[in-house]
Amino acid sequence: EAGVAQSPRYKIIEKRQSVAFWCNPISGHATLYWYQQILGQGPKLLIQFQNNGVVDDSQLPKDRFSAERLKGVDSTLKIQPAKLEDSAVYLCASSSSSGANVLTFGAGSRLTVL
Amino acid sequence: DQQVKQNSPSLSVQEGRISILNCDYTNSMFDYFLWYKKYPAEGPTFLISISSIKDKNEDGRFTVFLNKSAKHLSLHIVPSQPGDSAVYFCAASSGANNLFFGTGTRLTVIP
Repeated sequence: EAGVAQSPRYKIIEKRQSVAFWCNPISGHATLYWYQQILGQGPKLLIQFQNNGVVDDSQLPKDRFSAERLKGVDSTLKIQPAKLEDSAVYLCASSSSSGANVLTFGAGSRLTVL
Repeated sequence: DQQVKQNSPSLSVQEGRISILNCDYTNSMFDYFLWYKKYPAEGPTFLISISSIKDKNEDGRFTVFLNKSAKHLSLHIVPSQPGDSAVYFCAASSGANNLFFGTGTRLTVIP
């Protein structure tokens, strides 16, 4: 089966600019996650979708971050305006209903904010 | 508040020997624990898991041990191979909820 697809793989922007990341989960996986991984730390959940509804966005900085999952398939994560501390790898993951605890991750999108 | 902790940032082991990676957690509600492996420029990949109703789970060269009273789990790799060199993340969840990750341990297996 095809894995979790993410793009772009790398992005460099100036602070206060905006950026968007795209994720296409494994076909049939109802649950989609966006994680932020800052260098030297473990991944931290930003938002979790179940189909096209939000399950958990308690850690999402809503003043600058937004995410959507239209039609319950692919998803977009946007940052506007970006800050220096947003430099990180943004990982998308998905899971099926039967294997809810086992997430399959994409390769990630590395963001550098200058 | 770091609910899952991996106190060793790095570990070096000779090829053929045993690698032991440790993980501690603070939340007694966690009931499912996983280990993920990450190579550079790739996303984490699932390695092995254990439910809180068990104290050991084995899959080939990989064994995970869970000590609930100590809130501690460990991953044993034996024998270690150079291809095992990667960053290993411990993760935990309660129910079918969000995974909380540790900060990772970089394992280097020396040929």
